[in-house]
Amino acid sequence: TQLLEQSPQFLSIQEGENLTVYCNSSSVFSSLQWYRQEPGEGPVLLVTVVTGGEVKKLKRLTFQFGDARKDSSLHITAAQPGDTGLYLCAGAVQNQGGKLIFGQGTELSVKP
Amino acid sequence: GAGVSQTPSNKVTEKGKYVELRCDPISGHTALYWYRQSLGQGPEFLIYFQGTGAADDSGLPNDRFFAVRPEGSVSTLKIQRTERGDSAVYLCASSLGVRGGKDTQYFGPGTRLTVL
Repeated sequence: TQLLEQSPQFLSIQEGENLTVYCNSSSVFSSLQWYRQEPGEGPVLLVTVVTGGEVKKLKRLTFQFGDARKDSSLHITAAQPGDTGLYLCAGAVQNQGGKLIFGQGTELSVKP
Repeated sequence: GAGVSQTPSNKVTEKGKYVELRCDPISGHTALYWYRQSLGQGPEFLIYFQGTGAADDSGLPNDRFFAVRPEGSVSTLKIQRTERGDSAVYLCASSLGVRGGKDTQYFGPGTRLTVL
């Protein structure tokens, strides 16, 4: 059974602080995707990383894929209340087609 | 529509009843996925289709769950003899292809199923 361990599960910070969310697994992924999900809605894609060591930036968000393609991180700089939400990492396991394995999610709350 | 749509958005049923959940993928997307999300958890894979055929149904919990995609577009997830433990949000996603897992999956808003 493939597992993707995501941490922390909950994070409450003040506006302006930095934070990092981690996803780790023993499985190798052909790609790893980060999603954000609002209550009552489906996950919305933030970024897809496919190459080991790849770093992608999306405004104040920085995504990194581990060299061995087993782990990833999401770093948010100077968090804002609008960043509040559920963040999910999801990996496509190598040689298992398009099936995604999701982490448990990180519920982020940014207080003004 | 431009995105993945799912109907109904909410379904309340009684234990033991049969339900069908529908997914309309993005036009032209050949791959379609079903996931289930329980409260406070990440989505859990159920099944995916490449065209009309189920390429991987390893996530279906038991034989009460079945899904079809007869024409390679719309898909229906069918649950027989529903149980209270089936209550969850059922999410559908589609992607242009599979490409070894590198094609982005786009999710619908989900169907919230409540079994009383």
